Amino acid sequence: DAGVIQSPRHEVTEMGQEVTLRCKPISGHDYLFWYRQTMMRGLELLIYFNNNVPIDDSGMPEDRFSAKMPNASFSTLKIQPSEPRDSAVYFCASSFGLSSYEQYFGPGTRLTVT
Amino acid sequence: KQEVTQIPAALSVPEGENLVLNCSFTDSAIYNLQWFRQDPGKGLTSLLLIQSSQREQTSGRLNASLDKSSGRSTLYIAASQPGDSATYLCAVRYGGGYNKLIFGAGTRLAVHP
Repeated sequence: DAGVIQSPRHEVTEMGQEVTLRCKPISGHDYLFWYRQTMMRGLELLIYFNNNVPIDDSGMPEDRFSAKMPNASFSTLKIQPSEPRDSAVYFCASSFGLSSYEQYFGPGTRLTVT
Repeated sequence: KQEVTQIPAALSVPEGENLVLNCSFTDSAIYNLQWFRQDPGKGLTSLLLIQSSQREQTSGRLNASLDKSSGRSTLYIAASQPGDSATYLCAVRYGGGYNKLIFGAGTRLAVHP
């Protein structure tokens, strides 16, 4: 398997623009997670899905952030409108079932909002 | 509040040394604990996963221990190599069936030849 795939790897945008980050989890995994990593706050869980259903979105910073998982092989994280403080590395991770909680991370998307 | 702390924040050692990275957590009711490695500009690679019922896990030169009662885990790296240079992150999962990981800030390791 190719592992968790994220796109784009780098995104530079201007304040106020809409940003969409994409993730393809490992085939067969039923959990998908979105994390954000910054120097100040480290790694934070934003939201996670189980079988395409959002389970916990308490980490989503504000209404400007939204996430969807229309099917088992694709998820998006959208920021609208973007702000400079959203600059961070966004990671997607996936895992399989209750018998194994090991999470597999994608390479991340480095977002810079100017 | 459930928090995970890693000490030291940074560590520099000569090649060949054995070293220990520390992780502590405030709430001992964990489900399991996972150690990750992160290389600069890259994602996280899972190294070891320890279930709450286990005391340790080993993979090659890596050994992770877990002491729930004291709220601590250690990652032992034997015979360190320059290729081990990376940031090592500890993450704790609380609650059976609940898949949320809480991460420490990491230990940045540099192994010099």
